[in-house]
Amino acid sequence: SQQGEEDPQALSIQEGENATMNCSYKTSINNLQWYRQNSGRGLVHLILIRSNEREKHSGRLRVTLDTSKKSSSLLITASRAADTASYFCATDGQGAQKLVFGQGTRLTINP
Amino acid sequence: EAEVAQSPRYKITEKSQAVAFWCDPISGHATLYWYRQILGQGPELLVQFQDESVVDDSQLPKDRFSAERLKGVDSTLKIQPAELGDSAMYLCASKASGYNEQFFGPGTRLTVL
Repeated sequence: SQQGEEDPQALSIQEGENATMNCSYKTSINNLQWYRQNSGRGLVHLILIRSNEREKHSGRLRVTLDTSKKSSSLLITASRAADTASYFCATDGQGAQKLVFGQGTRLTINP
Repeated sequence: EAEVAQSPRYKITEKSQAVAFWCDPISGHATLYWYRQILGQGPELLVQFQDESVVDDSQLPKDRFSAERLKGVDSTLKIQPAELGDSAMYLCASKASGYNEQFFGPGTRLTVL
């Protein structure tokens, strides 16, 4: 079963604009991870934020975590056509050592 | 760069037939995962191995699915008999001890007719 929900399910923006995706989850976590999946391919790890962190940056990516609201957001700045993919949040529950994925956001960057 | 290998990439079978998928994780990764991903959804864990031992198979439909990792390296996932509802992408991932990031293979796309 899925841990939570991602919002929006699909997002289409122009190249150069920023893209924001949200993730909500249900149970306590050790960390939350974001993965990208190009069409028909495996997933690629993007960034991890621990439960005691509130914000993290990696290149054009910014992730926030609000454990009181059990939610996270992924911001991609200055989007490029190559960012077109599905993005999944995944939670690593306390003591579980396994990931539970959300439903994903399908992002389309229009040139 | 080390990668997780999976084969076959695509498999078409008829219902009631047996199918098998193979995964070779990144060398040295003790933890191996099999996921099933239905089109338009996120991956769902089927089974988790730590070396050769099953750590979690609570979501594995054991009446028809089996998984093994005999020598703690590569792994095989089998479905017998396949049903129409098994059509999905089957993903393998591996993880090094002490780290959180999972590395995914390209997946096997299964179509059951």
